[in-house]
Amino acid sequence: DQQVKQNSPSLSVQEGRISILNCDYTNSMFDYFLWYKKYPAEGPTFLISISSIKDKNEDGRFTVFLNKSAKHLSLHIVPSQPGDSAVYFCAATDRGSTLGRLYFGRGTQLTVWP
Amino acid sequence: DGGITQSPKYLFRKEGQNVTLSCEQNLNHDAMYWYRQDPGQGLRLIYYSQIVNDFQKGDIAEGYSVSREKKESFPLTVTSAQKNPTAFYLCASSRSVGGSGRADYSGANVLTFGAGSRLTVL
Repeated sequence: DQQVKQNSPSLSVQEGRISILNCDYTNSMFDYFLWYKKYPAEGPTFLISISSIKDKNEDGRFTVFLNKSAKHLSLHIVPSQPGDSAVYFCAATDRGSTLGRLYFGRGTQLTVWP
Repeated sequence: DGGITQSPKYLFRKEGQNVTLSCEQNLNHDAMYWYRQDPGQGLRLIYYSQIVNDFQKGDIAEGYSVSREKKESFPLTVTSAQKNPTAFYLCASSRSVGGSGRADYSGANVLTFGAGSRLTVL
């Protein structure tokens, strides 16, 4: 059963506009969330993260928002650039878990066009 | 420079053959992982290891085997029992919390991935 869900497989945005990628999770024990970016034939690279004690974290053009009551997080990219075109994976973990692992969503393909 | 090295980058296999994918890291990370990526499926966990000589099955372990004899190395064998082995395989590592074996993903200690290996069964 998918504990982290990215329901939009693709998103197309014009350069300069805002890109909003969404992610939902089902496990209320998750307390740390991450976004990874992946180009074809490469490994994913870490983009930004947020702890459950916060509702927002910003890093340059990237902002992640967390709504714990809705079990929802979103990644905002402003302004979007063609180089942002990639697959974005949402991931979550329960840091109190003995085993400790990340659960990934299926990814959203972002295309930024000129 | 510290990082994760996966080899080979591309591998072709005939049906019925076992193949081993290599993963080496020099990040001094305790935990290592193998993921599989298929179109539309995201990243699915095959196996993970929190300490040397110990590993756990992930969500799709059937048809795969691993070993963790050294901290730096976590090879994955795709056996002939794996029904659909054609995929992109990703190795990753992370630090553990105070030697507890529990992965620490916070701050700078996020999961770090290798560049991947693409396996094609002919």
